[in-house]
Amino acid sequence: GQQVMQIPQYQHVQEGEDFTTYCNSSTTLSNIQWYKQRPGGHPVFLIQLVKSGEVKKQKRLTFQFGEAKKNSSLHITATQTTDVGTYFCAGPAGGTSYGKLTFGQGTILTVHP
Amino acid sequence: DTEVTQTPKHLVMGMTNKKSLKCEQHMGHRAMYWYKQKAKKPPELMFVYSYEKLSINESVPSRFSPECPNSSLLNLHLHALQPEDSALYLCASSQDRVRQESYNEQFFGPGTRLTVL
Repeated sequence: GQQVMQIPQYQHVQEGEDFTTYCNSSTTLSNIQWYKQRPGGHPVFLIQLVKSGEVKKQKRLTFQFGEAKKNSSLHITATQTTDVGTYFCAGPAGGTSYGKLTFGQGTILTVHP
Repeated sequence: DTEVTQTPKHLVMGMTNKKSLKCEQHMGHRAMYWYKQKAKKPPELMFVYSYEKLSINESVPSRFSPECPNSSLLNLHLHALQPEDSALYLCASSQDRVRQESYNEQFFGPGTRLTVL
């Protein structure tokens, strides 16, 4: 079945450093979504990418969708302590599994002040 | 109102108990989901309801029984759980379930943290 791999599993940075998490799917994705889960919280939708090669920005966050629509990345510029949490990518499962999102394992980001 | 609510926030139950988790959304969403999440792991899909009908059951043990009384409510009935079922149970909703081509963001509730003794 479809697999979505995400690296790194953990990332520790000093405040002000940049951060990137990468997501790779075993199959071509029609779109990819990114979620953030704060410690003790629940996943919150950040963005959806649909087009091949798409790049979207949200303030210090930059999201990319690969040309082959099998990989994606999230880059945070100049991290802040508010960026702490787990970042998940998620893609729709194929076939008849409409409604199913396949989540990556997540990258746990800690930011040291 | 862009919120998904879940009750209770915390639940401790014994292996012989019967309890229910509740989820509610008033965004007019027609797809609702139950997920199970263990610490430091991604959410794991359990069930999907679309237009109040069960559309996906991810081979979940029968001790978990979902119910969708109406388009705004989703319940998860629990019976004879095992300690390994202890986890955060998340409810989510999205505008619609279908169509890979135009996937809809999922709104998650705060979850119920379940402990089975």
